[in-house]
Amino acid sequence: DTEVTQTPKHLVMGMTNKKSLKCEQHMGHRAMYWYKQKAKKPPELMFVYSYEKLSINESVPSRFSPECPNSSLLNLHLHALQPEDSALYLCASSQVGYNEQFFGPGTRLTVL
Amino acid sequence: GIQVEQSPPDLILQEGANSTLRCNFSDSVNNLQWFHQNPWGQLINLFYIPSGTKQNGRLSATTVATERYSLLYISSSQTTDSGVYFCAVVPNSGNTPLVFGKGTRLSVIA
Repeated sequence: DTEVTQTPKHLVMGMTNKKSLKCEQHMGHRAMYWYKQKAKKPPELMFVYSYEKLSINESVPSRFSPECPNSSLLNLHLHALQPEDSALYLCASSQVGYNEQFFGPGTRLTVL
Repeated sequence: GIQVEQSPPDLILQEGANSTLRCNFSDSVNNLQWFHQNPWGQLINLFYIPSGTKQNGRLSATTVATERYSLLYISSSQTTDSGVYFCAVVPNSGNTPLVFGKGTRLSVIA
């Protein structure tokens, strides 16, 4: 099974809302990633978890809060977002050591 | 940091035509992947190819690590091949998981 799943597919939220994005994989991977992608741009790395511990935070604003409750799950908690945070949010997983990454279908987020 | 350049930036093909997409990178790499991003945003793994040549159906890829480039060949293109093709690398140095090029936007017309 080489599938990474993400929920929800689409999310519309106001600037005062709190919401969460969810990512799940059952490939036995111990590295998981969050990326942000704006229109007509490549994905940009946000966070990396390795063995359920945060190993890279690419200077992401604190209104984005990642969480890795276990080796299969990755969450991204959102609070007080801005309209410019509207984007496609992609989750990926791999074996530790930056091996081949597999991406989920993404959550398309709109902040009003 | 490492630079990843893809060419051409845009490509329009008639259905059935062949094409070659190029990825140049400025430093040595541990890993190189080619992805196809479909119109719905899904990034589909095409090849994991830090060196050598691989083929999968109508697609093939070659990476010449010593000369710091990779090529993706698409033969007998179909309209479903449309989308953006990304090359992404993991540099040998530093702690960067995956650095993406800007992509090649391919449109295949019937």
